Amino acid sequence: DVKVTQSSRYLVKRTGEKVFLECVQDMDHENMFWYRQDPGLGLRLIYFSYDVKMKEKGDIPEGYSVSREKKERFSLILESASTNQTSMYLCASSRTGWWDEQFFGPGTRLTVL
Amino acid sequence: DQQVKQNSPSLSVQEGRISILNCDYTNSMFDYFLWYKKYPAEGPTFLISISSIKDKNEDGRFTVFLNKSAKHLSLHIVPSQPGDSAVYFCETDSNYQLIWGAGTKLIIKP
Repeated sequence: DVKVTQSSRYLVKRTGEKVFLECVQDMDHENMFWYRQDPGLGLRLIYFSYDVKMKEKGDIPEGYSVSREKKERFSLILESASTNQTSMYLCASSRTGWWDEQFFGPGTRLTVL
Repeated sequence: DQQVKQNSPSLSVQEGRISILNCDYTNSMFDYFLWYKKYPAEGPTFLISISSIKDKNEDGRFTVFLNKSAKHLSLHIVPSQPGDSAVYFCETDSNYQLIWGAGTKLIIKP
């Protein structure tokens, strides 16, 4: 079974703090993704990576950056957290093709005060 | 502008009956569609998919129908079971775009 783990289930940070969200997958998947989920908006893609050290912007990259130094690990960084970044963050991975099903972690509920 | 729309935020169905979840899209170039199911406090899990070269795909109690001329996708669950209560998302992949609907919350009544 594919397992995608996220470093925290719940996180509370203050405005202006630097925030790191970590994601690890154990099935040697090529692609990794970061989404945020907000009520009524579905999942919105922040960034994705199709290989180590490769990254591409998704639909809403502003205020975020990512890092993929190893194949199994994909980090999302909020350089200076703001209250409008309070959300559920979901990490996912998929095998090789863009159309492959994605496997998701349990999510991190981030609250920025 | 939402390219993938799930117009029903919620749907309530009697256990044992058919659940029909709908998804409309705007771009005829979208060529692959997936349905995911999400329980509270968990990430989405893949349910079933369909390519635009087909109009139907079946997997056990789940069937997805694609009507390309109407740009409409539907997921049928027969018979509905209590464990089917969840939020269902449709998603499409095309030209390195991943576009998700807003989700429909399905409630199965005993």
